Amino acid sequence: QKEVEQNSGPLSVPEGAIASLNCTYSDRGSQSFFWYRQYSGKSPELIMSIYSNGDKEDGRFTAQLNKASQYVSLLIRDSQPSDSATYLCAVNDMRFGAGTRLTVKP
Amino acid sequence: DTGVSQNPRHKITKRGQNVTFRCDPISEHNRLYWYRQTLGQGPEFLTYFQNEAQLEKSRLLSDRFSAERPKGSFSTLEIQRTEQGDSAMYLCASSSRPTEDTQYFGPGTRLTVL
Repeated sequence: QKEVEQNSGPLSVPEGAIASLNCTYSDRGSQSFFWYRQYSGKSPELIMSIYSNGDKEDGRFTAQLNKASQYVSLLIRDSQPSDSATYLCAVNDMRFGAGTRLTVKP
Repeated sequence: DTGVSQNPRHKITKRGQNVTFRCDPISEHNRLYWYRQTLGQGPEFLTYFQNEAQLEKSRLLSDRFSAERPKGSFSTLEIQRTEQGDSAMYLCASSSRPTEDTQYFGPGTRLTVL
């Protein structure tokens, strides 16, 4: 079992829709969770971090964490074509999933 | 603040040769991480430093890989006797734990082993 698992996608949504990205992790003792965005040919950049169960909102982005289910998600509201990228889930700083490729169609 | 820099940006080498990459973190950042990323995969953790101390090294990392951060500033990653399977993007990141958890990534060094 991989430490961090994500649906590889690709995920395609129309402009203005909500994009939902999911991630599960195997280490029940994990304490910190991160979502990164990586544009093609570029390095990852942090979008959000979350540490406690529940929701955390930042602009159009909402991270959701459920430690009992070992599940973390990222919602992107009012998706824009500029959101088209690969979204990486990371656990405990250094354990990354394979990423989900998102395409937002105009 | 110029961000994390990595040199060289591209490296082509022949199988069996040794290569060394350099990472200059954001100044004052105490943590420095090395990752390897191949196409379609997320960054794979290799090792990290807290100041000059190497605190963790991936079990997946063979003895051909070694990293140093001698004065707690820049770091080098050396791969000895390169193999074709070592071809990847090597990413460096730095952070300022515990005050901030954001990792700032450099542009990476793309290694091609022929």
